[in-house]
Amino acid sequence: EVQLVESGGDLVQPGGSLRLSCAASGFTFSSYWMSWVRQAPGKGLEWVANIKQDGSEKYYVDSVKGRFTISRDNAKNSLYLQMNSLRAEDTAVYYCARGRGSCWGQGTLVTVSS
Amino acid sequence: DVVMTQSPLSLPVTLGQPASISCRSSQSLVHSDGNTYLNWFQQRPGQSPRRLIYKVFNRDSGVPDRFSGSESGTDFTLKISRVEAEDVGIYYCMQGTHWPWTFGQGTKVEIK
Repeated sequence: EVQLVESGGDLVQPGGSLRLSCAASGFTFSSYWMSWVRQAPGKGLEWVANIKQDGSEKYYVDSVKGRFTISRDNAKNSLYLQMNSLRAEDTAVYYCARGRGSCWGQGTLVTVSS
Repeated sequence: DVVMTQSPLSLPVTLGQPASISCRSSQSLVHSDGNTYLNWFQQRPGQSPRRLIYKVFNRDSGVPDRFSGSESGTDFTLKISRVEAEDVGIYYCMQGTHWPWTFGQGTKVEIK
């Protein structure tokens, strides 16, 4: 069974940092582009970042460029999102997704507030 | 960025009746590889999104055949032939051709 399990969400102060993780199973992780997508409370979906199979290409939405870093460890079947200089507007449920959304995790909540 | 405009944003439907959601892109979604990366997602209340349709009209595994996708240029449509109670939720179109990949605003489907 294909499964994506996110972890690492928490309450953090503005300007703080957080690292999200996504553990993949049930498919050949190293064969897929992987992504992070977020959803602010009561709002729609926003694609945040994605990374090529070997990590050689990475793309970010403008609002997180320079602050967030996507990475992966194919040996551990894991995807990561390092989030620095967090802002209130980064508050959202963060989902790990495979490819162009063929599979999603359950999400992890990041709350940025003082 | 490519803007995806959905309509309507709210769709009350009667059980057993058809429903249709439109999505218009601000530019062509034909990728340099020849594919059109237009997907449809369903998000039931309290759940993660689930992909229903990929590359305009291909149904994902396990998706009932009452769901179908079509296109006409930069206009895309998701149709539900006969709405069932389990179809309640928010539906999003999404383009995966131009980075950043972008979603429509979402269409909330509810039962009358």
